[in-house]
Amino acid sequence: EAGVAQSPRYKIIEKRQSVAFWCNPISGHATLYWYQQILGQGPKLLIQFQNNGVVDDSQLPKDRFSAERLKGVDSTLKIQPAKLEDSAVYLCASSPTRQRHYNEQFFGPGTRLTVL
Amino acid sequence: AQSVTQLDSQVPVFEEAPVELRCNYSSSVSVYLFWYVQYPNQGLQLLLKYLSGSTLVKGINGFEAEFNKSQTSFHLRKPSVHISDTAEYFCAVNPFTGGGNKLTFGTGTQLKVEL
Repeated sequence: EAGVAQSPRYKIIEKRQSVAFWCNPISGHATLYWYQQILGQGPKLLIQFQNNGVVDDSQLPKDRFSAERLKGVDSTLKIQPAKLEDSAVYLCASSPTRQRHYNEQFFGPGTRLTVL
Repeated sequence: AQSVTQLDSQVPVFEEAPVELRCNYSSSVSVYLFWYVQYPNQGLQLLLKYLSGSTLVKGINGFEAEFNKSQTSFHLRKPSVHISDTAEYFCAVNPFTGGGNKLTFGTGTQLKVEL
């Protein structure tokens, strides 16, 4: 079974530029997550989708970050314009349809963003 | 709200020695507990989890962890480490209620195994 796919793996941009990351979850997984992992910190949830609807985006900086999952499968996370403090690894994860309180999250390899 | 504390940012250890990585949490509700491992330039991989039942849980690669409710701890142990265990380890919690899967991570512990 293929895992969570992310692209690109690395991205370097200048501040104030725009950038987009793509994620393809494990086939059949209804829930998709985007995390931000700043160097020296644990991952922090940015947004959670259930199919194509947003479940939680309380920690997403909506003035510059946006995310979509239009067809309930793959997802795109965008930053516009980027700031120096956005330098981080952006992790995508997916989990199967929620049937109990807990469903294991499976993580992709991440996209490492460097903002200069 | 939940929080996770991993007091040791780095733990150096010699190969074949035992190791313990500490994790303490704070939560107003009951939680599920997890340990994830992250190898360089890779995503997170689940090592083990505590959902219910026996407080001693065994995971992959010879790791185990013990849930201690009174001390709100979930320390990770391995009796004999290998060079390939060099990685970053994250402790995480997920509350029982209030919206399904919501992982809160600690800041991580870098385990460095030396020859």
